Amino acid sequence: DAGVTQSPTHLIKTRGQQVTLRCSPISGHKSVSWYQQVLGQGPQFIFQYYEKEERGRGNFPDRFSARQFPNYSSELNVNALLLGDSALYLCASSLWSRAEKLFFGSGTQLSVL
Amino acid sequence: ELKVEQNPLFLSMQEGKNYTIYCNYSTTSDRLYWYRQDPGKSLESLFVLLSNGAVKQEGRLMASLDTKARLSTLHITAAVHDLSATYFCAVDIRQGGSEKLVFGKGTKLTVNP
Repeated sequence: DAGVTQSPTHLIKTRGQQVTLRCSPISGHKSVSWYQQVLGQGPQFIFQYYEKEERGRGNFPDRFSARQFPNYSSELNVNALLLGDSALYLCASSLWSRAEKLFFGSGTQLSVL
Repeated sequence: ELKVEQNPLFLSMQEGKNYTIYCNYSTTSDRLYWYRQDPGKSLESLFVLLSNGAVKQEGRLMASLDTKARLSTLHITAAVHDLSATYFCAVDIRQGGSEKLVFGKGTKLTVNP
């Protein structure tokens, strides 16, 4: 079975632009979470979605938004990009909102110039 | 706010030696994860520790959890070069219907021949 897939793998944007990152969870998984990993740091929680509803939100500005579709795939949108948004964005899926194990995708490396 | 502290942050060791990485966290949690990350790659799940006193071993790595002391350890036995990577511990936080992981800053392990 395919794991968690994310697209694109790499992205270069300029300040002020908007970006959309995509995630397809493992088949049968209904929960998707997004994490931001700045170089040299541990991942930080951004959002969790379960059954198309937002279940949790981390300490990120309103420029960050997300949604989950009926097929459980998810998009993360970031508006008005700042240099500090440059990071690896990781998507993780699990069977339900409080599952034992999270499965991480390979991430999208976003560079903001 | 939950804090997860790992030490050391950098570890250089010789092949064949033993060492322990420590993970302290500041609030109650009954679930702790250890992940491995290679440069430019995503997170690989190593262990999920679910209860006080839990001990899990895989190859040269052994993880343990003491929920009373809010401490987890990752012990490396007879290190080999292939273990060179960054290791993260992550504490599971559940609020309402959501679940998020709070990660430490990571321990960058270099195993020298």
